[in-house]
Amino acid sequence: QKEVEQNSGPLSVPEGAIASLNCTYSDRGSQSFFWYRQYSGKSPELIMFIYSNGDKEDGRFTAQLNKASQYVSLLIRDSQPSDSATYLCAGGDSNYQLIWGAGTKLIIKP
Amino acid sequence: DAGVTQSPTHLIKTRGQHVTLRCSPISGHKSVSWYQQVLGQGPQFIFQYYEKEERGRGNFPDRFSARQFPNYSSELNVNALLLGDSALYLCASSLASWANYGYTFGSGTRLTVV
Repeated sequence: QKEVEQNSGPLSVPEGAIASLNCTYSDRGSQSFFWYRQYSGKSPELIMFIYSNGDKEDGRFTAQLNKASQYVSLLIRDSQPSDSATYLCAGGDSNYQLIWGAGTKLIIKP
Repeated sequence: DAGVTQSPTHLIKTRGQHVTLRCSPISGHKSVSWYQQVLGQGPQFIFQYYEKEERGRGNFPDRFSARQFPNYSSELNVNALLLGDSALYLCASSLASWANYGYTFGSGTRLTVV
């Protein structure tokens, strides 16, 4: 059973601080990983994807991948109230599908 | 440019009925995937189509079927609806069949079965 696991939260972070979201996966065949943001009642929105070990930065967001530890993370710097949402981690496998975690609810407190 | 469009946005059906959900991908995208998302959970993969061929199928019963048309739009059909089919149904399009490009999701169809 291929799984992606995330802490459901909620994770509460003060405005301006760094929010750290984590995800582990069971399928060593997964090669690409995605972070999506989902506001309540809305569809998921792609934030970042990563497929190489190490860090990938895009603005305030940094994705980190460690394939040996089967671990993916997303850091959000200078957190804003508008970052409050559920963050979904997903792994892409060779069977043309994404395996999703249940999401971590992030709350940024002003 | 139009994004991924889904219709209808909301739907209420009775147990045992049939439903058809529609999706138009982003222009130029040849891959369409369908996902079911129950409240509080991540999306669950139902189908993927690429160039009108089924490329992947998730762990859903045969009551669920789909197809992709020559213009790359897609339909998801669900027969003999159950209360447990109530969910947000998401359509996602991408440039290629494999997941390494990421998906763009439509706004979804909220299906309620009563």
